[in-house]
This record gives sequence, structure tokens and C-alpha cells, in this order.
Amino acid sequence: KAGVTQTPRYLIKTRGQQVTLSCSPISGHRSVSWYQQTPGQGLQFLFEYFSETQRNKGNFPGRFSGRQFSNSRSEMNVSTLELGDSALYLCASSLGAGLELNEQFFGPGTRLTVL
Amino acid sequence: AQKVTQAQTEISVVEKEDVTLDCVYETRDTTYYLFWYKQPPSGELVFLIRRNSFDEQNEISGRYSWNFQKSTSSFNFTITASQVVDSAVYFCALREDSSYKLIFGSGTRLLVRP
Repeated sequence: KAGVTQTPRYLIKTRGQQVTLSCSPISGHRSVSWYQQTPGQGLQFLFEYFSETQRNKGNFPGRFSGRQFSNSRSEMNVSTLELGDSALYLCASSLGAGLELNEQFFGPGTRLTVL
Repeated sequence: AQKVTQAQTEISVVEKEDVTLDCVYETRDTTYYLFWYKQPPSGELVFLIRRNSFDEQNEISGRYSWNFQKSTSSFNFTITASQVVDSAVYFCALREDSSYKLIFGSGTRLLVRP
């Protein structure tokens, strides 16, 4: 079974630009979560989608948004990039059917650098 | 409020030594789930174990073992006979019953020297 895939793996952008990251979950998984990892703040939850609906949202500004498609693939978008958005963005997928079954399996991440 | 504390920032051991990584958590929920993940230099978080709050049995998987104690709100992870390939950052995480998000600790960087 293929794991979680994320594209692109590396991105370099400049301040003020916007970026879209993509995540394809494990086949059969319907929940996708996004996390931001920085040296200063560690791993922080961004949002979680299940069946194209956002179920949970972390404490991030509105510049961070996401969506999920009918095939469970998810994208996250960051607009008006700031230097502080430089981070490793990790996507995780899970079955999502019930909380007890919710081991989250992570992808390799997208490393975003904002110059 | 929910919180996970990993007080050990970095641990360095010599190969074949045993090492314990500490994790202390805070939650008001009576039902919750605890996790350990390993993050090698490649960056991907690798799932190691999940423990439910209502199951306090300790678990052993090969060289890995986990000690869950609700009385002290701790979920410690021990690697016996450590190997160089165990070098990584290890994260403890908490998920409350009402939420789908993981609350991570700050991680412990383990360096196993040959």
C-alpha cells in the first residue's frame, strides 16, 4: 500500500507570494490533517478535513486555508507569505471513521522557504 | 488545557545502552489517546505506538517498550540495546476524545554513538 505523498517536496518563494501544497492520503483514508513544523514552535496543528469538510482548525491566521476533494486528496494554501511561514509542512492521513481508529500516518513533508 | 511535555531536549548514548525518553501530559478529558512518533533526518514522522487512556497495560515491541502511568500522567518510551539507526527525534503526542488533532511535545533528539 502506498503511503502518504506530498508535492512538491521543496519550495522557495518570496514574501507576498502565495503557495499551494498538495497531499494524497493512503488509499481508503478519508481524513487528512495538516501540521506546520518550525524550530521555534515545534509541530502545530493547522486543520483537518474529512469527506471534503473541515472538522478542526488550529490557531493560524486566515492566510492559511485548505480544502479536500472528493477523492480525499487535499491542498493547503498560504497567501501573502511571510518570512515566518518558512517551515516543514506535514500532511497526515487516517481512516477518519471513528476516533479510536485514528492513527495518523504522515507524509514526507514539503519544506517551504520564504525569502 | 491539553499539553505534552518532553523535558529532555537531547540525549546522547553509546550503542547498546538502554535509554528512556520521558513524556508527561495534561488533559481534562477522561478518554484520550497517546502516541509516539519517530522523525529521522528525512523528516517523515513514523508512527510507533498508540495507547488508549483506558488501557494501562505496558507494551513491548522488540527493543521498544512503553510505560503508561495515569497516576503520574506519564507515557515513557524505553529503547533497550540502542542502535545507531535509532538516532532520530522522538515525539510524544496527545489526542483528546473530542478532537481529531494531535498535540505534540517539543521532541527529544536521540543520538546513538557507535
